[in-house]
Amino acid sequence: AQKITQTQPGMFVQEKEAVTLDCTYDTSDQSYGLFWYKQPSSGEMIFLIYQGSYDEQNATEGRYSLNFQKARKSANLVISASQLGDSAMYFCAMRGRAGNNRKLIWGLGTSLAVNP
Amino acid sequence: NAGVTQTPKFQVLKTGQSMTLQCAQDMNHNSMYWYRQDPGMGLRLIYYSASEGTTDKGEVPNGYNVSRLNKREFSLRLESAAPSQTSVYFCASLQDALAKNIQYFGAGTRLSVL
Repeated sequence: AQKITQTQPGMFVQEKEAVTLDCTYDTSDQSYGLFWYKQPSSGEMIFLIYQGSYDEQNATEGRYSLNFQKARKSANLVISASQLGDSAMYFCAMRGRAGNNRKLIWGLGTSLAVNP
Repeated sequence: NAGVTQTPKFQVLKTGQSMTLQCAQDMNHNSMYWYRQDPGMGLRLIYYSASEGTTDKGEVPNGYNVSRLNKREFSLRLESAAPSQTSVYFCASLQDALAKNIQYFGAGTRLSVL
């Protein structure tokens, strides 16, 4: 069965430092996609970054990068130069298997607090 | 750029009342979704619609019905609300023209059932 695990319920980081949010996944599929979303206190879900299983390079979007280690089945989100506005919940998700690949499998999230 | 629009933003119901949550997207997406989010339980899929005219159950469909009225609109109905349905509800649509399959979310509806 497919599963996403986020083992850090809460994280703290000092402003301007980098932080890594962990995500491990379980799937038997060869082709899959991994996503990170941000949910600030205002409640909306914001797409951050995507990594395909066949992508050779780690995905990057501005200050966000995805540390993709396929053999270890991990897809950690790295936020560089943290800002106060990065304080939020962060969710890792995986695209469902072929034939049902319009569904996402979600982790339970990590709450990040950026300290000034 | 409206994206995914949900109404209402907030709602309080009494046990047994019915209501419909509305969702519309203007991105020409085929697939649409309804999730609920509860503390400590992440996002759980209630129903989804892969295309106009089709709907399928997700993880937690009991107590809900959906209608895919047209390509733009996907509504969620609670026929007889229960306190266990107190939650935040999100509608999403999927950019499935690309392999990435990115889901875009509405702002959410906070529902309290007393």
